[in-house]
Amino acid sequence: NAGVTQTPKFQVLKTGQSMTLQCAQDMNHEYMSWYRQDPGMGLRLIHYSVGAGITDQGEVPNGYNVSRSTTEDFPLRLLSAAPSQTSVYFCASSYSKGGKLFFGSGTQLSVL
Amino acid sequence: TQLLEQSPQFLSIQEGENLTVYCNSSSVFSSLQWYRQEPGEGPVLLVTVVTGGEVKKLKRLTFQFGDARKDSSLHITAAQPGDTGLYLCAINAGQKTSNTGKLIFGQGTTLQVKP
Repeated sequence: NAGVTQTPKFQVLKTGQSMTLQCAQDMNHEYMSWYRQDPGMGLRLIHYSVGAGITDQGEVPNGYNVSRSTTEDFPLRLLSAAPSQTSVYFCASSYSKGGKLFFGSGTQLSVL
Repeated sequence: TQLLEQSPQFLSIQEGENLTVYCNSSSVFSSLQWYRQEPGEGPVLLVTVVTGGEVKKLKRLTFQFGDARKDSSLHITAAQPGDTGLYLCAINAGQKTSNTGKLIFGQGTTLQVKP
């Protein structure tokens, strides 16, 4: 099983550029989420989804958009990248709300 | 304001020593999870505690959930270099007795175990 797959692993953007971080899971999990990880800050929740067609904001949603058109995919969009969005991004999924989270291997994003 | 506070933030010890890390909140929560993260990888679940006062053991790791379900601790006995990593606690934010799907993490404790 592939589990949770994130692409790309590394990305460099210029300020103002847009891009989409991809996340796919093959475990038929209803719950998916996006986190960013910065030194000394742990993991901060950006957006999450409890099922296809349903998304909600986390702790730090500004500057990011998400959609959930299928159970498998949960892309994260940066519409106009800013240096403050330089971070490592993790996608995660679980079978149910509050259940064990399975994480992808992360995307390291640098915004210059 | 951090919903969850973890302490200490950094810990560097010698192999064979014991240690305890803490996860505290001013709010009551329905359950708490502990994860370990190694460099370059995503976190991996160690344990979930649900009942106030609950104690769970995973080899040399002992996890305790506070009686009031507002805090938790992780104790490692005879630490090994393989225990090195970032330890994170996480809770469901919003509801005392049910899961909202909004899983919030503490800032983590970085543990280094030297041979």
